Amino acid sequence: DGGITQSPKYLFRKEGQNVTLSCEQNLNHDAMYWYRQDPGQGLRLIYYSQIVNDFQKGDIAEGYSVSREKKESFPLTVTSAQKNPTAFYLCASSIVEQGTDTQYFGPGTRLTVL
Amino acid sequence: DAKTTQPTSMDCAEGRAANLPCNHSTISGNEYVYWYRQIHSQGPQYIIHGLKNNETNEMASLIITEDRKSSTLILPHATLRDTAVYYCIVRGGLGGKLIFGQGTELSVKP
Repeated sequence: DGGITQSPKYLFRKEGQNVTLSCEQNLNHDAMYWYRQDPGQGLRLIYYSQIVNDFQKGDIAEGYSVSREKKESFPLTVTSAQKNPTAFYLCASSIVEQGTDTQYFGPGTRLTVL
Repeated sequence: DAKTTQPTSMDCAEGRAANLPCNHSTISGNEYVYWYRQIHSQGPQYIIHGLKNNETNEMASLIITEDRKSSTLILPHATLRDTAVYYCIVRGGLGGKLIFGQGTELSVKP
């Protein structure tokens, strides 16, 4: 069954701790993305990667880090430098089809800082 | 990317067609119209996209006006599970972020 998986679904963290969110896809997509969603708001781009071993900052990269060592995996680390990390985190991947790329999303991880 | 305007909310009776409008009057020639929906506490779900021709898939139909300044997403037989926020997004080029506006909150009622 192809798709994008994110784990865990819910995550609780103490203030000052780093935490890593997992994102895996078996769709053979080249590009992967991390977004953050706050209550009642739209998605904001954190980081994205168009190929393995390369990634770019999005609009709100401060306090986050990523790696892209494998095509199917794009983990996101929320560091203690992120001042307001409580949010819903969404991973997406995309493929170029008919001249444009369509992003498909995972189910999300809800992070709560205690 | 062009800005979009959608109604804040809409109601639809179960079994009837849901027609969700979107205005994108500043769309440029190489920009696509995308539709996603998000059910509460879930990731956005891709529905359909198009450039200038009408498109249909197993989920919905997309009707784009000839001048491309507006479009309509049609769910032919709405069910209670179609209750969600629907986002119309205009996007050009390859790669980069999706910009989600406020969307239309569709409530399907029995």
